[in-house]
Formats: sequence, C-alpha cells, structure tokens
Amino acid sequence: QLLLQESGPGLVKPSETLSLTCTVSGDSISTGSYFWGWIRQPPGKGLEWIGNISYSGTTYYNPSLKSRVTISVDTSKNQFSLDLISVTAADTAFYYCARQSRTSLITGHHYYFDYWGQGTLVTVSS
Amino acid sequence: DIQMTQSPSSLSASVGDRVTITCRTSQSISTFLNWYQQKPGKAPKVLIYATSNLPSGVPSRFSGSGSGTHFTLTISSLQPEDFASYYCQQSYNTPLTFGQGTKVEIK
Repeated sequence: QLLLQESGPGLVKPSETLSLTCTVSGDSISTGSYFWGWIRQPPGKGLEWIGNISYSGTTYYNPSLKSRVTISVDTSKNQFSLDLISVTAADTAFYYCARQSRTSLITGHHYYFDYWGQGTLVTVSS
Repeated sequence: DIQMTQSPSSLSASVGDRVTITCRTSQSISTFLNWYQQKPGKAPKVLIYATSNLPSGVPSRFSGSGSGTHFTLTISSLQPEDFASYYCQQSYNTPLTFGQGTKVEIK
C-alpha cells in the first residue's frame, strides 16, 4: 500500500518561505513512469495544481506560481519537496502531495492523481 | 490555461436518486478528463480517469462520459457515502486545472 505523508510548518510568516516535504512509503519513488505532484486548496475553496516532478528531476510548474515555486526530489530518502517563496495570506491552504500515474489507452497517455497524502494546513500569518 | 466549468455548483438529492454533474472545458481536451470525490477533511480520491474508466475499487454506480468540451459524471443510485464534493480535472496539458467543484448534499 503506497502512502504519502506531508510534513512541515503549519504557520509561516508573510514574505517568508513555505517548505514542505512529502515522504513516500510502500514503494520506491524511482519506480515506474510516475510524476509526483503538489496540489493546494484554500479552506472552503477549490483545488489548484502547483506542479509536478519526475524521479529524475523533470519539473512542470503552474505558470501562476512558477516564479515562486521550486519542487525537488531526493530519491535516497524517497521524498520530494515544495518550496514557495515570498508567501502572502493568499497562500494559506491545505497542501496535498500526490502521485500522478499514467495509463496508456488508444487515445493516448492519460495522467491522473491516484494516491494522495492526507494534506497539511499551512497558514500564512504574522 | 484551460478553464473548467462545473454545473451545478451544488445540488440536493435523496438516497437512490440518479445524479448527473456536468463539466465543460474552454477548449477541446479529447477524453483527457478525470473526476475526483472529496469528503470533508479528506484528500480527493480519483473516481474516474480518461473520461470513463473506473479505478479498481470504485463502485459501478459511478460512470463518466463525454469528449471534446462536454463531460458528465453520473451516479446511478446515490448512496449515503456519496454525499461529498466532486471535481473534474483536465490532463490534456499543463497547467493542470480543476473545476470549481460540485457539492452533493442530502435533501
């Protein structure tokens, strides 16, 4: 059973850096053609994709956050991480890490998030 | 970015009802559309991928259809555990985008 667990501070001051780590257990992060992603959800609102990374370090970011986001992977620890700089109150949200799987069908390669962490609330406040 | 519009934003239904949720996209995405269910305080869970495919363990009362810019999620007979929020998500290109969600409540 694959498990993902987010960790990091629950409170970050405005203008500082939000840093979270996702620890993967139950399988190697280097196995298979997966991407590993971060998604966030402000309390009571919808879902926003932040970005993805492959085990080899290939990254894709949401352009709305790209100038402030870095996602990295540490295969030796079976972890991947999120850094978001210069945070404001608008960055207050539940942050989820997730695995993005690929299925090949006649219509092409289809990607979807099949395993998620439980989520962690990060509040930006002084 | 591909804009995702779900309707309705919320609905009230009774156990046993047939429920349909619609997702429209701002451009054609073929069948690159996924659906997620989210219960309060929990992470989303994939219900359907590639428009109409159910992952192992998802009950057969859930079904999806569509292509291009118009997609539907149908629950054939609503069960008590189905009261939740539902989100569509396109995987056609990045940035990956989600619909704003549909909350299914008990009538």
